[in-house]
Amino acid sequence: AQKITQTQPGMFVQEKEAVTLDCTYDTSDQSYGLFWYKQPSSGEMIFLIYQGSYDEQNATEGRYSLNFQKARKSANLVISASQLGDSAMYFCAMREVNMDTGRRALTFGSGTRLQVQP
Amino acid sequence: NAGVMQNPRHLVRRRGQEARLRCSPMKGHSHVYWYRQLPEEGLKFMVYLQKENIIDESGMPKERFSAEFPKEGPSILRIQQVVRGDSAAYFCASSPSPGTERRPYFGPGTRLTVT
Repeated sequence: AQKITQTQPGMFVQEKEAVTLDCTYDTSDQSYGLFWYKQPSSGEMIFLIYQGSYDEQNATEGRYSLNFQKARKSANLVISASQLGDSAMYFCAMREVNMDTGRRALTFGSGTRLQVQP
Repeated sequence: NAGVMQNPRHLVRRRGQEARLRCSPMKGHSHVYWYRQLPEEGLKFMVYLQKENIIDESGMPKERFSAEFPKEGPSILRIQQVVRGDSAAYFCASSPSPGTERRPYFGPGTRLTVT
């Protein structure tokens, strides 16, 4: 089973509008972390926002907010007031702890390509 | 405080050659993760290292790939006898002691092209 599912391969949004990028996850752990990264055409991975599984409030960072619905295992990214520079690939990721090795690697979804139109 | 550094940023190798990718973690970080991103896919975990130790290499292909993180110097991901399927972006991420960080810090990646 996929650990991270991003069902929208591509999305379009008009400049200045809000957009929601979907992410669902699968884990049996009680403690985990959820991340969103932006990858522009230049290729680097830009950290956007983090939500811990025990955080009661939804995370916000500027124009980014994470709509965390724990019971539904969803962690959607909301970008408000889209800008042309927001056009990029967006990846949702989850961190679980491997109790045998202590590994805290991220598992990534397949990404959503967002295009902001003027 | 300099971020995670990777070099080279771009690497072209012919089939059968060796590729060496370097990652210098952030100052004070002693844990390094390597990820591979195939075209049009998300990143996939390869190996987790601490200084002088490979902790978890469960994501690494069994043959031709190796990694190290010596006491001094950068972490190295080594691919022997490269094949076209090794063409990808390779990212490393570093973090301080586990459990204290909120997020890993990614380097800019090395884009390997095998011709």
